[in-house]
Amino acid sequence: QVQLVQSGAEVQKPGASVRVSCKASGYTFTSFFMHWVRQTPGQGLEWMAVINPSGGTTRYAQKFQGRVTMTRDTSTSTVYMELSSLRSEDTAVYYCAREGHTSSFDSWGQGTLVIVSS
Amino acid sequence: DIQMTQSPSSLSASVGDRVTITCRASQGISNYLAWFQQKPGKAPKSLIYGASSLQSGVPSRFSGSGSGTDFTLTISSLQPEDFATYYCQQYNSYPLTFGGGTKVEIK
Repeated sequence: QVQLVQSGAEVQKPGASVRVSCKASGYTFTSFFMHWVRQTPGQGLEWMAVINPSGGTTRYAQKFQGRVTMTRDTSTSTVYMELSSLRSEDTAVYYCAREGHTSSFDSWGQGTLVIVSS
Repeated sequence: DIQMTQSPSSLSASVGDRVTITCRASQGISNYLAWFQQKPGKAPKSLIYGASSLQSGVPSRFSGSGSGTDFTLTISSLQPEDFATYYCQQYNSYPLTFGGGTKVEIK
């Protein structure tokens, strides 16, 4: 079965960067796009980025352009999301989500809490 | 960006009730509309895609309808495990956007 397992919680200082990983299993990694979505108390669910694991092409939400980088490692079936220049408003739970053949999300990671605090 | 507006933001209902949640898109999105269920401390769970198609394993008491700008999620007979927050999402165009959520609480 499809499984998306994310890395553990992080605490970072303002101005720092954080990298969250999402390891996929149970399917052909390069056949499905992967997205990152974050959830904050104030903003609800926000889409951040998408990657095509086959070619590595990415697309980012304008809000995060310049601060977010999404990469993948096909040898380990893992996608990464790096967010830089962290500020307190980036405190959130970050989820990876697989885009299924229906073009909608069909599987989600368990979430990674990122706390930005001095 | 396409704005997604859900209503109500919360509702109270009893087990066995029929519950309807609405979602409106700020512009037409055809049927590229998904619904998710989220319980406290858990990741969202995908319920419906294509406005009306159930994801594998989702009980048939859940149904979705609509096209264009107006959509509904209906739970025909609310069960104890259905108390959660529900979100709609459009995937017609980037950036993908979500509704603000509807919290379904026990009456």
